[in-house]
Amino acid sequence: EPEVTQTPSHQVTQMGQEVILRCVPISNHLYFYWYRQILGQKVEFLVSFYNNEISEKSEIFDDQFSVERPDGSNFTLKIRSTKLEDSAMYFCASSEGSGGSSNQPQHFGDGTRLSIL
Amino acid sequence: AQKVTQAQTEISVVEKEDVTLDCVYETRDTTYYLFWYKQPPSGELVFLIRRNSFDEQNEISGRYSWNFQKSTSSFNFTITASQVVDSAVYFCALSEALAGGSYIPTFGRGTSLIVHP
Repeated sequence: EPEVTQTPSHQVTQMGQEVILRCVPISNHLYFYWYRQILGQKVEFLVSFYNNEISEKSEIFDDQFSVERPDGSNFTLKIRSTKLEDSAMYFCASSEGSGGSSNQPQHFGDGTRLSIL
Repeated sequence: AQKVTQAQTEISVVEKEDVTLDCVYETRDTTYYLFWYKQPPSGELVFLIRRNSFDEQNEISGRYSWNFQKSTSSFNFTITASQVVDSAVYFCALSEALAGGSYIPTFGRGTSLIVHP
């Protein structure tokens, strides 16, 4: 079964450094998402992406964050100048459709654990 | 503002028991989506269901069932004949229905379900 893959599984970065988290969505999916989960806390939506542009973003997704689909397969999340509070598990997801009246399941990657020192 | 309350922090059951995870939400939107996600001990996220606010029909998928009650603003999740593999944290989420079927989910704090053999 096709799956969403995320690399790396664990990223350790010094505060203030830029970090890029990579995701390869399922090939025929059109909608892409990033979520994060600070250790032991609830999941938070960051951004959704469709047709090469951001479709929705949360308040967390400020100017420090950006997303890109640089080629036909990768979907990346960049954090420009990392802060300690960016330490979290970051999940990428993709779906065939956006939803509406039918269930369009999201498929999640295993996550990237980002640790900011 | 939207809010999701999962009042049960942790539930412990013995295998084969039925268990219901509660989710109560608050929203001023007339059209919205409700979601359930599962996070097993391994940490990945698994999408379980998305339900539209105009569709109050209950849904059953194998041992899983969902009871959507607009009158009480609840979207409860029942696992019938629980199994050890059901042990996980379960998150309920809510989003206003946005243009094109997109969404920005707000998550509850999760309910940790422990199923003992």
